[in-house]
This record gives sequence, structure tokens and C-alpha cells, in this order.
Amino acid sequence: SQELEQSPQSLIVQEGKNLTINCTSSKTLYGLYWYKQKYGEGLIFLMMLQKGGEEKSHEKITAKLDEKKQQSSLHITASQPSHAGIYLCGAVAGGTGNQFYFGTGTSLTVIP
Amino acid sequence: NAGVTQTPKFRVLKTGQSMTLLCAQDMNHEYMYWYRQDPGMGLRLIHYSVGEGTTAKGEVPDGYNVSRLKKQNFLLGLESAAPSQTSVYFCASSFYTGELFFGEGSRLTVL
Repeated sequence: SQELEQSPQSLIVQEGKNLTINCTSSKTLYGLYWYKQKYGEGLIFLMMLQKGGEEKSHEKITAKLDEKKQQSSLHITASQPSHAGIYLCGAVAGGTGNQFYFGTGTSLTVIP
Repeated sequence: NAGVTQTPKFRVLKTGQSMTLLCAQDMNHEYMYWYRQDPGMGLRLIHYSVGEGTTAKGEVPDGYNVSRLKKQNFLLGLESAAPSQTSVYFCASSFYTGELFFGEGSRLTVL
């Protein structure tokens, strides 16, 4: 099965600080997706990366996919309490291409 | 536009009881998924469907059955609930694999 490892498992930062979350795959990724989950709610799609070296930004969140397409990072600049939640990376499994797997998640707490 | 709706949102069962979780989407999506989320284990895929009348096993299918008789509905059944099935269950749908739209979750406790 596709395995996605995320680090760190949890993160506590002071408001205004920058932070990075990593997602590593044991296999080449054909697409890497980032989602955010507010506590007790469903997941919300953030962005998708497909090409090696690709980088996308939305407001203060930037995601990158490395050239080998096995590692992605999510960077938040000047964190705010609204950024708090669980961040999960997801990818389509090889083979049938229909199974969508998630990493174990990173819990982010932002202290005002 | 309701998106993805899960019912019920909360349920408490006794060991051995059966129940069905219903997922309904109004976006005409082909793909639908059932996941369970447990502390420290992220989201694990139970079963999925790539179209009406089709279902397939995911990562942790044992103890669950699914049906997709209508395109907009994806049912997850537990025939004989066990305490190990205590979890939060999420349904998701998509046009293609990748950008999934999620329901708000169903919290199931098996005593």
C-alpha cells in the first residue's frame, strides 16, 4: 500500500511564527494533495501538486513537491489562530489509481 | 447545495448489533469513499466506489460492507459491531481521484 509519513506529528507555535510540515512517500507520487481538518469537522482541500519541483501558494500557505516527487512540504508564514487544525497529505495509490491514501496527519496549535 | 451529507452523525451500539451509515452527495460525483479516523492513525480507507453499482476494498475492509445502488448514495454497513470499530467515519466524493469533498463525519461508539 501507499505509505505517506508526515512530520512532525504535532506542532505548537506562537502566533506570527513560520512553520513547515513534511510529507514523505516511499514511492514516486503521481499527485500530492494537502488537506486541512478543523477539529471535529471534515477535511477541506487546500492544494494539489503534480509536477516535480512544483510550488503553489494560497494566502499564507505554500506547498512544494520535490524534483523526485517523493517529498512535499507545507509552509505557513506568519501563523494565525485560524491556521490551527490537522493537516493531512494525500495521494493516489499506484496500480489502479483509484485508491486515495492519507498520511497520519500533523496537528497544529497556534497560541495567540 | 448540501455537498456531502452523512447520517447519522452520532450513534452508540452494543457489541454484535448492526447498523448502516448513509452518505449522500448532490454533486453528481462518480467516486465515493468511506474512511475511518482514529487517534494517531490518520484516515484509513475502508471501501470505495468508482461508479454506480461498483465497490472495491480499501486498506481496512474487514467487518464492513458497502453498496452503491444509486450514484448519489454510498452505504456503509456493520453487520456485527465490535469495540474495535469505535471510530469517526468520513465519507468523501469526487469527480476523479484527488480533490475529495468530505462529509462532516459520523461518530460511532461500540460498547
